Amino acid sequence: QKEVEQNSGPLSVPEGAIASLNCTYSDRGSQSFFWYRQYSGKSPELIMSIYSNGDKEDGRFTAQLNKASQYVSLLIRDSQPSDSATYLCAVMGSARQLTFGSGTQLTVLP
Amino acid sequence: DAGITQSPRHKVTETGTPVTLRCHQTENHRYMYWYRQDPGHGLRLIHYSYGVKDTDKGEVSDGYSVSRSKTEDFLLTLESATSSQTSVYFCAIRGGLAGGTDTQYFGPGTRLTVL
Repeated sequence: QKEVEQNSGPLSVPEGAIASLNCTYSDRGSQSFFWYRQYSGKSPELIMSIYSNGDKEDGRFTAQLNKASQYVSLLIRDSQPSDSATYLCAVMGSARQLTFGSGTQLTVLP
Repeated sequence: DAGITQSPRHKVTETGTPVTLRCHQTENHRYMYWYRQDPGHGLRLIHYSYGVKDTDKGEVSDGYSVSRSKTEDFLLTLESATSSQTSVYFCAIRGGLAGGTDTQYFGPGTRLTVL
């Protein structure tokens, strides 16, 4: 079992829709959770970090964390074609190292 | 911009040759990391450093060594490159900026091809 798993995708949504990206993790001692966006041929860039159970909103992005279920998600509201990218979930586990999921490729169709 | 540069940005080399990749940061961050990214595997940690001359292994350290003689520079060396080391290599720093002390920020990457 992979330590961090993401819905494999690819995921396609129409412009203006809500895109939902999901991630589960296996280390119950994990405390810090991150979503990165990566455009093709570019480096990962941080979108959101979340540390506490519940929702955290930043503009069109909402991160949701449920430590009991070992689940973290990212919602993108009013999706735009410029949101088309690969989204990486990253979890800092009890060993204080980041473990990444394999990524979910999102395409927003105009 | 986290002030991280990597060099070279692209390199093609032959099996058996030594290769050194450089990561340079300007923000005086203590922690630096080297990752490789391959299709289907996401980002995997090779080595990391928690200070000058202080380094440790990551998940996929076999065939790689690192050195950090100055705070700003973290070098990754492939002593004898193999085709399985063809990958995109990212350097990262941890902490500061707007994301909190656990957040990692990535350099632009180096695309390495071993023939």
